[in-house]
Amino acid sequence: KNEVEQSPQNLTAQEGEFITINCSYSVGISALHWLQQHPGGGIVSLFMLSSGKKKHGRLIATINIQEKHSSLHITASHPRDSAVYICAVRSGETSGSRLTFGEGTQLTVNP
Amino acid sequence: NAGVMQNPRHLVRRRGQEARLRCSPMKGHSHVYWYRQLPEEGLKFMVYLQKENIIDESGMPKERFSAEFPKEGPSILRIQQVVRGDSAAYFCASSRAGGFNQPQHFGDGTRLSIL
Repeated sequence: KNEVEQSPQNLTAQEGEFITINCSYSVGISALHWLQQHPGGGIVSLFMLSSGKKKHGRLIATINIQEKHSSLHITASHPRDSAVYICAVRSGETSGSRLTFGEGTQLTVNP
Repeated sequence: NAGVMQNPRHLVRRRGQEARLRCSPMKGHSHVYWYRQLPEEGLKFMVYLQKENIIDESGMPKERFSAEFPKEGPSILRIQQVVRGDSAAYFCASSRAGGFNQPQHFGDGTRLSIL
């Protein structure tokens, strides 16, 4: 079992829909990141959070430390949101500052 | 340009050749991380460096791979005697410091193809 599990693996939505991507982890963490990767492109850091909730534009990220679970929400989705969304955790144990990644969620938003 | 710069964007090598991937961190950042993304797989940590020091190399393959981050100049990920299985996207990230609350900023990656 991976230390970081994401669901769903693939998600197709219609423009305007509310989208939720989930991330569960099995290790103690000091921070959790949500990243966005476009096809053939680089990686953009969307959020880094260790508790509660953060919002940036149409994106909202939440984390529940007790349940070891985080969600990324996209409101009023748009075709330009189509990308791979990756959850990554930074463990508070001996692994220092490196990140452990989920497999990613491929999101396609159709017009 | 204030972002993390990686070059080249694409690199083609024949089996047995050497590959050198470069990463210039964001200005003011002294911590660099290398990650590898194999085809159809997720990102995996390779190595974490601070200026002139390797902090954590637990994700590096035992042979043929090395990394450095000299006092002056970019960080270099070097792969000797490349094999087909080295074909992947290699991403570099940098942070200002090494604490858990430091965000990592990613470059656009180098796509390495082995013929």
